[in-house]
Amino acid sequence: QIQLVQSGPELKKPGESLKISCKASGYTFTDYAMQWVKQAPGKGLQYMGWINTQTGKPTYTDDFKERFVFSLETSASTAYLQINNLKNEDTATYFCARRDYNNYGFAYWGQGTLVTVSS
Amino acid sequence: DIRMTQSPASLSASLGETVNIECLASEDIYGDLAWYQQKPGKSPQLLIYNANTLQNGVPSRFSGSGSGTQYSLKINSLQSEDVATYFCQQYNNYPPTFGAGTKLELK
Repeated sequence: QIQLVQSGPELKKPGESLKISCKASGYTFTDYAMQWVKQAPGKGLQYMGWINTQTGKPTYTDDFKERFVFSLETSASTAYLQINNLKNEDTATYFCARRDYNNYGFAYWGQGTLVTVSS
Repeated sequence: DIRMTQSPASLSASLGETVNIECLASEDIYGDLAWYQQKPGKSPQLLIYNANTLQNGVPSRFSGSGSGTQYSLKINSLQSEDVATYFCQQYNNYPPTFGAGTKLELK
């Protein structure tokens, strides 16, 4: 079955960096783009952007153009989200997600990675 | 970006009751709308796509409707396992955008 499995929770200090992984299984990794979504504590869902898993080209929404990097390790069917120069407002759960074959809803989600930024 | 206004923000209902959640888009999204259910500590689950198509495995008590800028999610015969937060999402225009969510609780 299709699964997206993310790396575990992170506790970081402001100014540090981190890299979250999202390992896909159950399908051909390069057939579908990988999406990234942020959810701050007690808040709604904020779309961060996506990465083309065939070319590796990332696309970021305006709020995530500065310190955020999407990347791939195609041989390992894994997508990564790197956040540089962490700020308190980066405290959130980050999800990877994938659309279904027949619609543009996000049918498959990782379990989420909780990132806590605190001095 | 298209703004999605969801209402109500919270809702309290009894078991067996029918519940309606509304989503208003800031412009026509031509039916390119999804509904998600999210339980505490879990990932969102896709319930409905294309405004009214039930995702595989989703109980038939969930239904979606609407067109243009106005959409709704209906839950018939509310069950205890339906306690969750519900989000709408448009994917007609990039970037996809979500409503702020409706928290559904049992009365």
